[in-house]
Amino acid sequence: NAGVTQTPKFQVLKTGQSMTLQCAQDMNHEYMSWYRQDPGMGLRLIHYSVGAGITDQGEVPNGYNVSRSTTEDFPLRLLSAAPSQTSVYFCASSLTGGSGYGYTFGSGTRLTVV
Amino acid sequence: RKEVEQDPGPFNVPEGATVAFNCTYSNSASQSFFWYRQDCRKEPKLLMSVYSSGNEDGRFTAQLNRASQYISLLIRDSKLSDSATYLCVVNEGNYGQNFVFGPGTRLSVLP
Repeated sequence: NAGVTQTPKFQVLKTGQSMTLQCAQDMNHEYMSWYRQDPGMGLRLIHYSVGAGITDQGEVPNGYNVSRSTTEDFPLRLLSAAPSQTSVYFCASSLTGGSGYGYTFGSGTRLTVV
Repeated sequence: RKEVEQDPGPFNVPEGATVAFNCTYSNSASQSFFWYRQDCRKEPKLLMSVYSSGNEDGRFTAQLNRASQYISLLIRDSKLSDSATYLCVVNEGNYGQNFVFGPGTRLSVLP
């Protein structure tokens, strides 16, 4: 049981490049989300999904797209990378996302945009 | 944006000490509450949920005061392995999109 798997672990992009961060979970969780973590700040929600085919924006969605074609996978796409997107990105999943259920996080992707 | 605030830290304590972390939240309609632990350069991991009646897990005790909108975490007999950042998390609604993370308080337990 792998839990939540994120790839890649590290990435350096040039300004303007695009890329996809991968996230997969094998726990049959309905709820998945993407966060970014910056120094001195709490995790901030980028996008989330309450089930296959359903996605919505979080607190900081600009510059990112998501899709959820299967329960297992929830990739995050950076459309045109900017230095402000330098951050650590975490994917998380929860059984239902409902009150009382905590999250399982992936190990993170450290992204640097130069 | 709704806020979750925590002690700024860092806390540097000797092994065996008791240490308490405080957290306040601004949304009185918040539904559920958690403490997460995050080791350096690692992902956050759920430490424990927090209930109004208070709950204990070994050396860890969590308390919630809904009237004061205040959450606490007490660690007794601290170990070197307790060194980490502790995140207070508040779920403001019925769904995970309403999870709000505090900035965290870093703890260093010294030999």
